[in-house]
Amino acid sequence: DQQVKQNSPSLSVQEGRISILNCDYTNSMFDYFLWYKKYPAEGPTFLISISSIKDKNEDGRFTVFLNKSAKHLSLHIVPSQPGDSAVYFCAARAGGATNKLIFGTGTLLAVQP
Amino acid sequence: DAGVIQSPRHEVTEMGQEVTLRCKPISGHNSLFWYRQTMMRGLELLIYFNNNVPIDDSGMPEDRFSAKMPNASFSTLKIQPSEPRDSAVYFCASNFGEGSNQPQHFGDGTRLSIL
Repeated sequence: DQQVKQNSPSLSVQEGRISILNCDYTNSMFDYFLWYKKYPAEGPTFLISISSIKDKNEDGRFTVFLNKSAKHLSLHIVPSQPGDSAVYFCAARAGGATNKLIFGTGTLLAVQP
Repeated sequence: DAGVIQSPRHEVTEMGQEVTLRCKPISGHNSLFWYRQTMMRGLELLIYFNNNVPIDDSGMPEDRFSAKMPNASFSTLKIQPSEPRDSAVYFCASNFGEGSNQPQHFGDGTRLSIL
């Protein structure tokens, strides 16, 4: 039973346009959400995070939106660049003292020049 | 800054052999995580330590898998005996502060192939 779901295995976007990656979760106790980017043969790299007390966090070209009522988060990349082509994972942490993250299955983003 | 260091990067061995994967967390981090990535199951947590103590090992698949953290700068994940279905990429990650809003930082993984 997947608690964190990324329903789009892949996404293709033109350079300069917006990329929107989506993630849904089922556990209302999740209180901290993260996005990671992964290139082939490398480990996941932390990109951006958001606490459940916020609904938006922005860092340069990357913005994460959290809709708690819908149990949905999204990552917006504007403008998209070819170097953004990678697999993107969303992750969630259960509330309280735990350090455990639950990962989605990832979305492969291809930014076309 | 040195990140999480894993060794070896690649391991190919025959079924039944013992396999030991190694991880050095980022200095100052007190939580360490072992993950396995496969096509079928994605990225799944096997075990994590806080202050060198195993906190959650519910993801360890079976008794053939064991993990230790003898000190703050070193951990091992051992598979004995190994089986072909153990073939996967194994990642180690670390962060500081259990329950804090600190991201985990990953190593580049060990690609394990069991023949």
